[in-house]
Amino acid sequence: DTAVSQTPKYLVTQMGNDKSIKCEQNLGHDTMYWYKQDSKKFLKIMFSYNNKELIINETVPNRFSPKSPDKAHLNLHINSLELGDSAVYFCASSQGRGGSPLHFGNGTRLTVT
Amino acid sequence: KQEVTQIPAALSVPEGENLVLNCSFTDSAIYNLQWFRQDPGKGLTSLLLIQSSQREQTSGRLNASLDKSSGRSTLYIAASQPGDSATYLCAAYSGGGADGLTFGKGTHLIIQP
Repeated sequence: DTAVSQTPKYLVTQMGNDKSIKCEQNLGHDTMYWYKQDSKKFLKIMFSYNNKELIINETVPNRFSPKSPDKAHLNLHINSLELGDSAVYFCASSQGRGGSPLHFGNGTRLTVT
Repeated sequence: KQEVTQIPAALSVPEGENLVLNCSFTDSAIYNLQWFRQDPGKGLTSLLLIQSSQREQTSGRLNASLDKSSGRSTLYIAASQPGDSATYLCAAYSGGGADGLTFGKGTHLIIQP
């Protein structure tokens, strides 16, 4: 199946821990993103990554860091987790930038206790 | 700063009706606008993308229009079916920042059989 896949689907962890979410796309796209959907259902861009150029939304704490081993992967590392980090995190990809049609993964529901 | 608003927040209609979902954005300097559907526990599926130079896009029973000058877009669903039940989100692309889309909160649509 051609898709954007992310793991795990659910992640429950305690405050202060460090965790990672993995994302892979086999669509051949050159741009990948991380979005956060909070409890009020707002989706907000966190990062975009294209040809080794990373653009960070200025509101994202530096505890969050994306890592891209290759064009098909963009993993999200979160250090020192806080209660407010609880949300659904979506990975997405597109061919080119500039608002090209996005393909989303199914999301990772992170719960910090 | 771009803001996207969707009205209504929720809508329930009988099967077979034609319906219109509304989306407004505050900054008319957009490059394009996208409509997505989100099913429970799933990621977003791209439905239609309208470039700023276009007035409308059609895909099957869906038709999206764009009036950039007034900051409005509508999604028209013809002959609604129970399978259309989902949350519909619109998102504006204005460039800048993390090069991401600005999303509305969505309209939760229920089609009654």
